[in-house]
Amino acid sequence: AQSVTQPDIHITVSEGASLELRCNYSYGATPYLFWYVQSPGQGLQLLLKYFSGDTLVQGIKGFEAEFKRSQSSFNLRKPSVHWSDAAEYFCAVGSFGNTPLVFGKGTRLSVIA
Amino acid sequence: EPEVTQTPSHQVTQMGQEVILRCVPISNHLYFYWYRQILGQKVEFLVSFYNNEISEKSEIFDDQFSVERPDGSNFTLKIRSTKLEDSAMYFCASRALNEQFFGPGTRLTVL
Repeated sequence: AQSVTQPDIHITVSEGASLELRCNYSYGATPYLFWYVQSPGQGLQLLLKYFSGDTLVQGIKGFEAEFKRSQSSFNLRKPSVHWSDAAEYFCAVGSFGNTPLVFGKGTRLSVIA
Repeated sequence: EPEVTQTPSHQVTQMGQEVILRCVPISNHLYFYWYRQILGQKVEFLVSFYNNEISEKSEIFDDQFSVERPDGSNFTLKIRSTKLEDSAMYFCASRALNEQFFGPGTRLTVL
């Protein structure tokens, strides 16, 4: 079965600290991987995506993610967190063609001074 | 930059009433989707639509739900007789290449 696991429900980091949000997937086909961010009451904004090629992908707002096929992971990182990064982060997996995205349950990020 | 739009942003309805959620996908996209997110939970796929017909639907998408592309621009989700458990944020998405672009969502509250 296709699934995405985000093992951390809630993470709190200090402003300026580094961040890593974990994502593991189980998918039968070649996975296309995405990270979305959702601020309270808002829609889903795409942070970055991986289709193929270089396994380290850069996204918006200073985020990056690394695809590790051997670990079925696609962890999101940021070297220095800003207070405005506080939001819910969703990892999602899809594939080529008209396949729907499968989302993880999300990780809520809180940022403290 | 083109974007997916959704109306209304918030819909309040009484249980048993019909609601229609509207979406305008990005104009040159051909694949359309509806997802929903119950408060505090993950985003779940409802249905995908291509060439004026449903291409895939989840088990959530039962007979109470229907989708339609009534004209060249709108894409609608109808819930025939709303239940309390239909309260959720509903997201429309359209696809280009392998990326789905999401609208801002419609928050549906069923009382």
